[in-house]
Amino acid sequence: DAKTTQPPSMDCAEGRAANLPCNHSTISGNEYVYWYRQIHSQGPQYIIHGLKNNETNEMASLIITEDRKSSTLILPHATLRDTAVYYCIVSYLKAAGNKLTFGGGTRVLVKP
Amino acid sequence: DVKVTQSSRYLVKRTGEKVFLECVQDMDHENMFWYRQDPGLGLRLIYFSYDVKMKEKGDIPEGYSVSREKKERFSLILESASTNQTSMYLCASSPFSGSVNEQFFGPGTRLTVL
Repeated sequence: DAKTTQPPSMDCAEGRAANLPCNHSTISGNEYVYWYRQIHSQGPQYIIHGLKNNETNEMASLIITEDRKSSTLILPHATLRDTAVYYCIVSYLKAAGNKLTFGGGTRVLVKP
Repeated sequence: DVKVTQSSRYLVKRTGEKVFLECVQDMDHENMFWYRQDPGLGLRLIYFSYDVKMKEKGDIPEGYSVSREKKERFSLILESASTNQTSMYLCASSPFSGSVNEQFFGPGTRLTVL
C-alpha cells in the first residue's frame, strides 16, 4: 500500500473551512484515497473516499489533484465537534480482508 | 446503523494472565479486524479475518491469537499478558459487498496489564 504524509496538527476557527492536506506520491492507479477521523475516546469513523474525481458528501469534500499525488479534505464549516484526528489512507477497493493502514494523522483543533 | 460492540471499555489484568477481548458486529459483515492503538504509533493491525475460521496475521501478531467461530464474533486472545500489551484495542468490521472499503469500528477496550 502507498504511504501517506500529513501535517501532525492544525488549528481551525469555528465556522471556517478546514483544509487538510495529504501527500501520497507513490499511489498506484487503482488505489483509492480514504479519509477517516477519530474523535477522542471513540473508534475511527469513515468520512469519504475517492479515486480521481472530486467527491462531496454530507460531511466533507475531497479534492484529488490530477496527478493523484496529493489530496485535500475540506470541512466546509468546521464546528467544535469536528475536533479530532484525521487520517488519510490509500487503499485498494474492497476485497477479502482488505486492510487499511493508518498513519499518524492530523490532529485538528477547532477553536471558538 | 451498524453496530460493533466490544465486551469491555476498560480492563485491568495481571502479567501472565490469559486475556480474552470479544468483538461482536450485527451487520453480517465478512471482514473483521483487531487493531491496537498506542500514542505516537497510531493504529496497528494485529489480525484480521475474512470468513468464519479464517484468519490472517496483520503487522504485529506476536503475542496474540484470534478466534472466529461465528461470523458475528471475533475474539482476540492474549495467551500470557505482558506489560507491553497495555494499550487501546479496537475492533472493526467491513462487508465484502459495496464499493467502499469502509470499516466500522467499535468503541475500544483500554487494557492495562500490571
